[in-house]
Amino acid sequence: QQQVKQSPQSLIVQKGGISIINCAYENTAFDYFPWYQQFPGKGPALLIAIRPDVSEKKEGRFTISFNKSAKQFSLHIMDSQPGDSATYFCAATYREYGGSQGNLIFGKGTKLSVKP
Amino acid sequence: NAGVTQTPKFQVLKTGQSMTLQCAQDMNHEYMSWYRQDPGMGLRLIHYSVGAGITDQGEVPNGYNVSRSTTEDFPLRLLSAAPSQTSVYFCASSYSPSGAPETQYFGPGTRLLVL
Repeated sequence: QQQVKQSPQSLIVQKGGISIINCAYENTAFDYFPWYQQFPGKGPALLIAIRPDVSEKKEGRFTISFNKSAKQFSLHIMDSQPGDSATYFCAATYREYGGSQGNLIFGKGTKLSVKP
Repeated sequence: NAGVTQTPKFQVLKTGQSMTLQCAQDMNHEYMSWYRQDPGMGLRLIHYSVGAGITDQGEVPNGYNVSRSTTEDFPLRLLSAAPSQTSVYFCASSYSPSGAPETQYFGPGTRLLVL
């Protein structure tokens, strides 16, 4: 119930295309869903995040779509560029009673390659 | 601010050796954590700390020890290295435990090879 399932494992997209990465979860207590971007040889960095009170959040070319009833959320990268080539991780977390804890549960990652 | 720093960047150990991976942050973050990253496995939490003097186990704690004597430092100790501990290790910190609305900031990683 603590898992976050991410797909696909790898994705190849042409420059200018739309990249879509999907994640699903079981724990309905999750209340924060970030996406992290990791370039080779670097640590992950927060890309964009959403809370379940909204169905969509957009920042530039990056959009999170959230479906609370289906317990799914996805990352859309519009007009994908070669510079977007990286590994993307979805994650989820929640605050336990009393406000403590809140460790991130990560998906297994999607390696995105954008071909010029 | 240097953010989250990790040393060393790369280390080779022989089976049975011990070593300490260093992690430091200069953002006065209360929450710090250690993850390991293996191909196809994502990021798995090893240990975490919600403040100086407080540590707890994550998903894969066996073979690792941590301590948190100061807010800034959170070293990870491998007691007796095994080939299964070959991995890339990331330290992260955030202002609040959930990283929400605050971000979890990751260090650049330590690549460990155990022969």
